[in-house]
Amino acid sequence: QSALTQPASVSGSPGQSITISCTGTSSDVGGYNYVSWFQQHPGKAPKLMIYDVSNRPSGVSNRFSGSKSGNTASLTISGLQAEDEADYYCSSYTRSSTCVFGTGTKVTVL
Amino acid sequence: QITLKESGPTLVKPTQTLSLTCTFSGFSLSTSGVGVGWIRQPPGKALEWLALIYWNDDKRYSPSLKRRLTVTKDTSKNQVVLTMTNMDPVDTATYYCAHDISGWYYLFDYWGQGTLVSVSS
Repeated sequence: QSALTQPASVSGSPGQSITISCTGTSSDVGGYNYVSWFQQHPGKAPKLMIYDVSNRPSGVSNRFSGSKSGNTASLTISGLQAEDEADYYCSSYTRSSTCVFGTGTKVTVL
Repeated sequence: QITLKESGPTLVKPTQTLSLTCTFSGFSLSTSGVGVGWIRQPPGKALEWLALIYWNDDKRYSPSLKRRLTVTKDTSKNQVVLTMTNMDPVDTATYYCAHDISGWYYLFDYWGQGTLVSVSS
């Protein structure tokens, strides 16, 4: 199975909104509403930010939101803050009953 | 409070077998719908899903690594063990275990801190 495709980097100024895409196929992202998003700061473990495409776990800021259209899922961070600078990964359930992660996106706050 | 912690060797030689243990607390692997997965991350690279075991002993493996992986659980000890055979330098990575609350579709809500495994002669 191939990794889901994410842009290598996305940047924005404080207060702006940015969107990270996660493109798969009809066998993963497009076929199921089981996309998660993770935030990872350097040297730290990933943290779940969004699950089931658009749901936020308790404690995650409502500045983070998720959506999906066709084979592409998206994570939007609104009101960008310095603390949002991190790597972000998507993941999806697949038709083969396996899990696949994205290639990762480095978010830089200018 | 759910916590997980990975343990095992930090250095293995090529061709050797790696055995990692995930010791967890705050949940039981005998509870319906619960699973523990393994994910790795080579230095500076992306996350890669490896394997997962569910409460009912359902086991799933990455297709590309399936022949080399085995995952088992010891419910009484609150542990999950991942075994990877024929280790190679490209397997150098931080290995994470994570709690899956979904029951079947990989919803990793809690992660261990990770353990760095280097493969070198």
